[in-house]
Amino acid sequence: ILNVEQSPQSLHVQEGDSTNFTCSFPSSNFYALHWYRWETAKSPEALFVMTLNGDEKKKGRISATLNTKEGYSYLYIKGSQPEDSATYLCAPKGGETSGSRLTFGEGTQLTVNP
Amino acid sequence: DAGVTQSPTHLIKTRGQQVTLRCSPKSGHDTVSWYQQALGQGPQFIFQYYEEEERQRGNFPDRFSGHQFPNYSSELNVNALLLGDSALYLCASSRGGNSYNEQFFGPGTRLTVL
Repeated sequence: ILNVEQSPQSLHVQEGDSTNFTCSFPSSNFYALHWYRWETAKSPEALFVMTLNGDEKKKGRISATLNTKEGYSYLYIKGSQPEDSATYLCAPKGGETSGSRLTFGEGTQLTVNP
Repeated sequence: DAGVTQSPTHLIKTRGQQVTLRCSPKSGHDTVSWYQQALGQGPQFIFQYYEEEERQRGNFPDRFSGHQFPNYSSELNVNALLLGDSALYLCASSRGGNSYNEQFFGPGTRLTVL
């Protein structure tokens, strides 16, 4: 069972601010890391699947980096907008024997004030 | 494409009762995973079904059981409900068991046990 920590737990920023948050996980037996965005009353939406050390993914104003050796991933949002308000969840996955189950952190709840 | 659908949306039961939740996967997906999200926590993996068999199971008691049908839809059954089973139950579908594949989530079923 993976111990996943996300920080901060919650974040309030002003529209236009850039922000970032962290997902920490055990560096041993790493296989992949998923980032999800979850807006209230909607389904969690997949943002990125990251697999390689040094991987960097980008989707519009959102980007993520991965360091598998030290066991962390950062999610960045550039120029936050109110529609970015959501809970951001990371889910690292262990080795192949764990199948495709995802172990989620508790999430970072982002609120962007207009 | 309707995406992942779940029914019912909300459900209220009393302690000791039994409940069945339903999930239809995204078109083309053959794997269904169930997660429980209690308040303030990230989703916790319950089990996964593939080819009509339970392939993986999380740390949940035998009161939690499931089924997958030939059309890949799935049910989650919970017997002898406890107050602590109150949560949002999420279904996620994916294609095959490869952990690189995104899991697509449904909107969830909110279960309240009184």
